[in-house]
Amino acid sequence: EAQVTQNPRYLITVTGKKLTVTCSQNMNHEYMSWYRQDPGLGLRQIYYSMNVEVTDKGDVPEGYKVSRKEKRNFPLILESPSPNQTSLYFCASSFGTGTGELFFGEGSRLTVL
Amino acid sequence: KNEVEQSPQNLTAQEGEFITINCSYSVGISALHWLQQHPGGGIVSLFMLSSGKKKHGRLIATINIQEKHSSLHITASHPRDSAVYICAVTPTQGGSEKLVFGKGTKLTVNP
Repeated sequence: EAQVTQNPRYLITVTGKKLTVTCSQNMNHEYMSWYRQDPGLGLRQIYYSMNVEVTDKGDVPEGYKVSRKEKRNFPLILESPSPNQTSLYFCASSFGTGTGELFFGEGSRLTVL
Repeated sequence: KNEVEQSPQNLTAQEGEFITINCSYSVGISALHWLQQHPGGGIVSLFMLSSGKKKHGRLIATINIQEKHSSLHITASHPRDSAVYICAVTPTQGGSEKLVFGKGTKLTVNP
């Protein structure tokens, strides 16, 4: 089954404690991306990647890091989480946003205390 | 001003009604996506459009590139159509693969 898998689905952490949200896809997609969704602000792009070792900033990259060492995986790293990073996070993949259907993970709800 | 504007923000309909959700954008685009998000959070892609019209079941999406406008229509609406519908565009500037989202339209269909 074609899918995008995110883990963890729910996480409560404290300010400053590094965490990683994993994202994996099994469709051999070149494009992967991370978004955060906040009430009143909608979805906003954090980082995206067009292929292995190719990443680029979205609209809200501050406080986040990503890496794309393998085609199927695109982890989101919060080196020093802060309360303003409390949000619902989505990973997505496709063959390209201008050419292919987007497939989304189920979301990861992160709370930073 | 947001690059992608959706209207209405909220929409309540009776079962069976014909529904239209609009999306206007201000930049040149290579594609436009319509997404559906049910309560509980998961996001599903409904359509990707670069021109013309697409149909899937009771859903129809159209796009007018010259007018920078797209519409999502739902025929014979049903309570299970209740969800947030999100429009997203891929701007052509810079050759990037960024996505810019509208804030969504919350649809409630009453039985």
